Amino acid sequence: QKEVEQDPGPLSVPEGAIVSLNCTYSNSAFQYFMWYRQYSRKGPELLMYTYSSGNKEDGRFTAQVDKSSKYISLFIRDSQPSDSATYLCAMSAGGTSYGKLTFGQGTILTVHP
Amino acid sequence: DVKVTQSSRYLVKRTGEKVFLECVQDMDHENMFWYRQDPGLGLRLIYFSYDVKMKEKGDIPEGYSVSREKKERFSLILESASTNQTSMYLCASRGKALSRGAYEQYFGPGTRLTVT
Repeated sequence: QKEVEQDPGPLSVPEGAIVSLNCTYSNSAFQYFMWYRQYSRKGPELLMYTYSSGNKEDGRFTAQVDKSSKYISLFIRDSQPSDSATYLCAMSAGGTSYGKLTFGQGTILTVHP
Repeated sequence: DVKVTQSSRYLVKRTGEKVFLECVQDMDHENMFWYRQDPGLGLRLIYFSYDVKMKEKGDIPEGYSVSREKKERFSLILESASTNQTSMYLCASRGKALSRGAYEQYFGPGTRLTVT
């Protein structure tokens, strides 16, 4: 079983839709949860970061972490064509892990006008 | 602006060739990482380095080696390339702390390697 599972999609939605991206994980040591966004032919870039359980909002993006269920989500409100990308969840145990991240498989999102 | 550069965007090599992938970062970061990215499998860690000449295996080190002779440069070496090493290779460096124990990684644009 993979440590981090993410539905690879692809996901295709109309402009303006609410998008929900999800990951589950099995390693209880994970404390730091991130979402990276990767545009075509580019490297991933950090989009959002949360620590432990709870919600974090940044503009149209909301990240949620439920450690009791080992489940994290990224919501995109009023999705735009410019949101079309691959979204990768990533997790870290922190401590002396040298900043190593464990990534999900990535979800390919297309927002069409 | 942090910059992570990779020596090639696209590379085609033959089975059995020795392949070098180079990565350079300009922010004096200590930790650097090599991943491969495959459809349906996401990013998988091959090797990482936490200092000059220091390295540790990641999740899939078989068939690969690395070299870090200077802080800014981290090389991935395929000793004898095989077709199952056809993939996108991404280099990253560990940047600023997001909080205690968590760090942002900065990625290069990737090298698409095809082994025929």
